[in-house]
Amino acid sequence: AQTVTQSQPEMSVQEAETVTLSCTYDTSENNYYLFWYKQPPSRQMILVIRQEAYKQQNATENRFSVNFQKAAKSFSLKISDSQLGDTAMYFCASIPQGAQKLVFGQGTRLTINP
Amino acid sequence: GAGVSQTPSNKVTEKGKYVELRCDPISGHTALYWYRQSLGQGPEFLIYFQGTGAADDSGLPNDRFFAVRPEGSVSTLKIQRTERGDSAVYLCASSFSRGDSYNEQFFGPGTRLTVL
Repeated sequence: AQTVTQSQPEMSVQEAETVTLSCTYDTSENNYYLFWYKQPPSRQMILVIRQEAYKQQNATENRFSVNFQKAAKSFSLKISDSQLGDTAMYFCASIPQGAQKLVFGQGTRLTINP
Repeated sequence: GAGVSQTPSNKVTEKGKYVELRCDPISGHTALYWYRQSLGQGPEFLIYFQGTGAADDSGLPNDRFFAVRPEGSVSTLKIQRTERGDSAVYLCASSFSRGDSYNEQFFGPGTRLTVL
């Protein structure tokens, strides 16, 4: 079974700062995907970034990038030049290739202060 | 195009009552998923449909929970004899299904169920 752990319940930074959210996971699968989702107060889960486990290169999407350490089973999210609109819950998730169930971590509440 | 929609947005009911939660997936998406998100937690998988059939219902907590998707589009999650512990946000997602590669799941805004 897969598990995903987020050890930071809450984080808070000033606008324009860089912030890193941590995530560790456990899986026996060789091929899998990892994700970071954003959930604003509207409740809708929005995909921020995804990483295929077979790719060594870390994924980037504009201000968002990941540090994927496969041997350590670590998958952190870095948000550069943070903006007020980044305030939300952030969830790390994983899914084996070919599977259908996303497994989520407990979430990190991120607050960007003006 | 339109995203995944869920109705109602909020539902308050009394312990022991029956409730139905509706999900309208993105048009053309053959796969549909239900997740439950308890307060302060991440979403947990409940059930997955491929077309009209429930391909995996291993996440349903007990036989009070049932879901249908009779025409392969809209799905209804049904909860009988509701309990206070059923209070949560129920999220629906849909995706294309294209074999072994990952197909992004697009989420709806959820239904917040409160059982008094």
